[in-house]
Amino acid sequence: GNSVTQMEGPVTLSEEAFLTINCTYTATGYPSLFWYVQYPGEGLQLLLKATKADDKGSNKGFEATYRKETTSFHLEKGSVQVSDSAVYFCALSDNWDYKLSFGAGTTVTVRA
Amino acid sequence: DGGITQSPKYLFRKEGQNVTLSCEQNLNHDAMYWYRQDPGQGLRLIYYSQIVNDFQKGDIAEGYSVSREKKESFPLTVTSAQKNPTAFYLCASTGTGINTGELFFGEGSRLTVL
Repeated sequence: GNSVTQMEGPVTLSEEAFLTINCTYTATGYPSLFWYVQYPGEGLQLLLKATKADDKGSNKGFEATYRKETTSFHLEKGSVQVSDSAVYFCALSDNWDYKLSFGAGTTVTVRA
Repeated sequence: DGGITQSPKYLFRKEGQNVTLSCEQNLNHDAMYWYRQDPGQGLRLIYYSQIVNDFQKGDIAEGYSVSREKKESFPLTVTSAQKNPTAFYLCASTGTGINTGELFFGEGSRLTVL
């Protein structure tokens, strides 16, 4: 079945540091890949997505590239801010039954 | 504004009681989902529905029940058979078609069993 494995946290950074959160997946066929973000006390919201190999999703300074050869979708941001403190989830959709498989989530804390 | 509304935000229950969590959406989405979130475990799918009057079990359906009588509504009942119900519950929806997989989430309901 489908599965997503993402880097364990928690991750603590200083403002303006570089952030990388690793995500790898197992799936049959050609899934779509997503990063969701959850701010404290809220539900999840879509951060970015990529629907085919070599696509790059980007939003709010975050980027992730769909790498089929390494089955990865790592999230990166060049200079984090305190407001980026949240839990980040990598997710996969097989595009057939509209279900998403989520990773365990990575808690990121950015300190001023 | 369009969105998903979950209620209540916080709920306390005694052991042996059933409770129902409400989820309403005005996005005209066909598919709706219930996820459970526990610390360090990510989101696990409880039930999902792709169309009115039809729903399927997810990965952890035991001890839960749902109904989908209207497109806008997908309530979740946590029954007394659920052995560890204390958790954060998230409802989500999506349209089918080109945006497949892009879920819109409610703000969640936190259930605590006393």
